[in-house]
Amino acid sequence: DQQVKQNSPSLSVQEGRISILNCDYTNSMFDYFLWYKKYPAEGPTFLISISSIKDKNEDGRFTVFLNKSAKHLSLHIVPSQPGDSAVYFCAASAYSSNTGKLIFGQGTTLQVKP
Amino acid sequence: DTEVTQTPKHLVMGMTNKKSLKCEQHMGHRAMYWYKQKAKKPPELMFVYSYEKLSINESVPSRFSPECPNSSLLNLHLHALQPEDSALYLCASSPQGNGPPNTEAFFGQGTRLTVV
Repeated sequence: DQQVKQNSPSLSVQEGRISILNCDYTNSMFDYFLWYKKYPAEGPTFLISISSIKDKNEDGRFTVFLNKSAKHLSLHIVPSQPGDSAVYFCAASAYSSNTGKLIFGQGTTLQVKP
Repeated sequence: DTEVTQTPKHLVMGMTNKKSLKCEQHMGHRAMYWYKQKAKKPPELMFVYSYEKLSINESVPSRFSPECPNSSLLNLHLHALQPEDSALYLCASSPQGNGPPNTEAFFGQGTRLTVV
């Protein structure tokens, strides 16, 4: 059972436009969400996170939105740049479990065209 | 230093071999993790060490044996692996593995393991 789902395997956008990556989760115990970016032959790199007590967190060009009632979060990248082309993973954890365990989605490959 | 260093980057081993993967961090993080990632799949947690003690084993076969000699080092000992164990093995660390807050984990580049 996939607890964290990224239903779009790939996304292609034009440079300068907005990229929106989506993520859904099923476990209501999840209360902390993270986005990671991964280039080929490298480990995932942390991008941005959000706690369930917030519905929005912004860091430069990256904004994450959380809709708890819909169990949905999204990552907005504005403006998109060719260097943003990578695989983006959504991850979730349960604060109350105190284990540090992250559950990852399947990833979305973003291609930003010049 | 915000790096998690994994060695080797690539490893090819036979099914009767014994090998070890190594991971090192000097960020003072007290939680360290092993993840396994197959092609086109998300990383899947294998083990968590918190304060140098094994806190989670995700029902990993005994042919994978983790070891945490000290707070900066994490090893994964491999023995009698199968071809289906071929994958990217990722090490990660985070400031705390138990207790709040669950902040971001820093990942290494991974070891690409091929079992022949």
